[in-house]
Amino acid sequence: QQQVKQSPQSLIVQKGGISIINCAYENTAFDYFPWYQQFPGKGPALLIAIRPDVSEKKEGRFTISFNKSAKQFSLHIMDSQPGDSATYFCAASIRNRDDKIIFGKGTRLHILP
Amino acid sequence: DGGITQSPKYLFRKEGQNVTLSCEQNLNHDAMYWYRQDPGQGLRLIYYSQIVNDFQKGDIAEGYSVSREKKESFPLTVTSAQKNPTAFYLCASSTPSGRPLNNEQFFGPGTRLTVL
Repeated sequence: QQQVKQSPQSLIVQKGGISIINCAYENTAFDYFPWYQQFPGKGPALLIAIRPDVSEKKEGRFTISFNKSAKQFSLHIMDSQPGDSATYFCAASIRNRDDKIIFGKGTRLHILP
Repeated sequence: DGGITQSPKYLFRKEGQNVTLSCEQNLNHDAMYWYRQDPGQGLRLIYYSQIVNDFQKGDIAEGYSVSREKKESFPLTVTSAQKNPTAFYLCASSTPSGRPLNNEQFFGPGTRLTVL
């Protein structure tokens, strides 16, 4: 019940296309859903995050869509660029408890130039 | 320059030796974490600490040990009991979720440990 399931494991998208990564969770107590971006040989960095009281959050070309009833959320990267090539992790946590973040297994995204 | 530093970036050790990975932060964060990253496995939590002199086991603590004697430092020791220690190790820190509104974790650059 503490798992966050992420798909696909890898994704190849043409430059200018839309990249979509999906995640699902079971624990309805989760109340914070961040996405992290990791470049090779570097530590992950927070990209965008959402709370379950909203269905969508957009920051530039990055959008999180959240479906509370289905217990699913997804990351959409519009107008994907070669510089977006990285590994993306979805995650979930319960705030005001132990602050542990449960990470998905990651999606390796490659944008073709 | 605020941030998290991990040293060294690459570390090689012989099988059966203990090794300690360094993690230092100057962000004044209370909480610190250690993760292990293997290809296709995501980030798995080894240990975490929410305050000085206190820490808890994560999901894969066996074969590892930590200490938290100072707020800024959270070293991880990989002991000879860890059966498969070769991996990329990441340290992170955060403020407790009570302040500010979210509990973003800030990651260091990682240490790649190879056991020969």
